[in-house]
Amino acid sequence: AQKVTQAQTEISVVEKEDVTLDCVYETRDTTYYLFWYKQPPSGELVFLIRRNSFDEQNEISGRYSWNFQKSTSSFNFTITASQVVDSAVYFCALSEARRGSQGNLIFGKGTKLSVKP
Amino acid sequence: ETGVTQTPRHLVMGMTNKKSLKCEQHLGHNAMYWYKQSAKKPLELMFVYSLEERVENNSVPSRFSPECPNSSHLFLHLHTLQPEDSALYLCASSQEPTSLRTGAFFGQGTRLTVV
Repeated sequence: AQKVTQAQTEISVVEKEDVTLDCVYETRDTTYYLFWYKQPPSGELVFLIRRNSFDEQNEISGRYSWNFQKSTSSFNFTITASQVVDSAVYFCALSEARRGSQGNLIFGKGTKLSVKP
Repeated sequence: ETGVTQTPRHLVMGMTNKKSLKCEQHLGHNAMYWYKQSAKKPLELMFVYSLEERVENNSVPSRFSPECPNSSHLFLHLHTLQPEDSALYLCASSQEPTSLRTGAFFGQGTRLTVV
């Protein structure tokens, strides 16, 4: 069975703090893709990153970094020096290659991040 | 223009009404999707269209009827809905296959309330 678990329902931090959002996934496929999306109050999901199952290199993009560990089936997301504009709901998602498309996603329930000034 | 545009943004309808949600993408993508986001459940994939053909229907009730007349437009026709169908309906598009490290692009959604 395919499943994505985001155990943290809500997180509240003060601006400039670092915060890590956890994501654990389950899949029987050997080839799959992992994603993070951000959903601001306006509603649309904004793509942040896609990671292939065969590429375990960690990635950094500005204040964002991702830690992919196949051994623990985790794909965690860290925001460094958080800002108020980072306040949103963040979704981790899984796409299995056999399902044929990267829009065919299994989402976690999301983590609501509130960054206070 | 934004990449994926959904109209209307908000919709209130009675259980006996018939309405349609519209999605338009300006990205030249060849796959489009409908997702449902309700308060109590994770985002759920409803339908997948690839090259204008429906390739997946995730056990969605027949009161939801999708239509994809061309690669840029996707509709979701609604009839005799139930209050539990109230949710945010999100449309997305993507280019398949791709080696690019991109994901699907989502619209802002239609907030549907069934009364």
